[in-house]
Amino acid sequence: DADVTQTPRNRITKTGKRIMLECSQTKGHDRMYWYRQDPGLGLRLIYYSFDVKDINKGEISDGYSVSRQAQAKFSLSLESAIPNQTALYFCATSERGEQYFGPGTRLTVT
Amino acid sequence: DQQVKQNSPSLSVQEGRISILNCDYTNSMFDYFLWYKKYPAEGPTFLISISSIKDKNEDGRFTVFLNKSAKHLSLHIVPSQPGDSAVYFCAASFLWGGGTSYGKLTFGQGTILTVHP
Repeated sequence: DADVTQTPRNRITKTGKRIMLECSQTKGHDRMYWYRQDPGLGLRLIYYSFDVKDINKGEISDGYSVSRQAQAKFSLSLESAIPNQTALYFCATSERGEQYFGPGTRLTVT
Repeated sequence: DQQVKQNSPSLSVQEGRISILNCDYTNSMFDYFLWYKKYPAEGPTFLISISSIKDKNEDGRFTVFLNKSAKHLSLHIVPSQPGDSAVYFCAASFLWGGGTSYGKLTFGQGTILTVHP
């Protein structure tokens, strides 16, 4: 079984809709992250959490919110989706150094 | 402000030859550097890392070199294999310092490596 799982894997939604992406991990790590990948821009950090009570904005947090429901669960919400939020979204976890990524969610906003 | 840059969007190499992927950074406070590999429809997977106290780290066919004075790191793959074809991302972090940035990764744009049989 995968250590970091993301649901859904693919999602098409309409402008203005609320959508939630979910991430679960079995690695026992305290730190969790949400990134988006766009062509030619690499991975950019949206939000990160160093423990259940600690939530921090990344470099591109506008239009997104997160919830850390438990050590193992970190969800990302788009309150009102817009087309330029079409991207690949990755969740990651870490202990100290390297981060371990989930398989990604391909989100399309029409 | 792109603190980590991979200036080559793509690289094509013959099987068995060396692949060299390059990465430049601007923040001299970064103290930990990583390379990730990404296949289509999968998340990035950790490949190799190096701390700022070293200038070389080797793991099998993969070697990472760090030149702190030039703020440059490179990944060497020898010999290259068709299965190495993927997108490679370099990333930089603060492992021991960085204040509120501690533990966060800053990624480059990625380089698409194609290894031809």
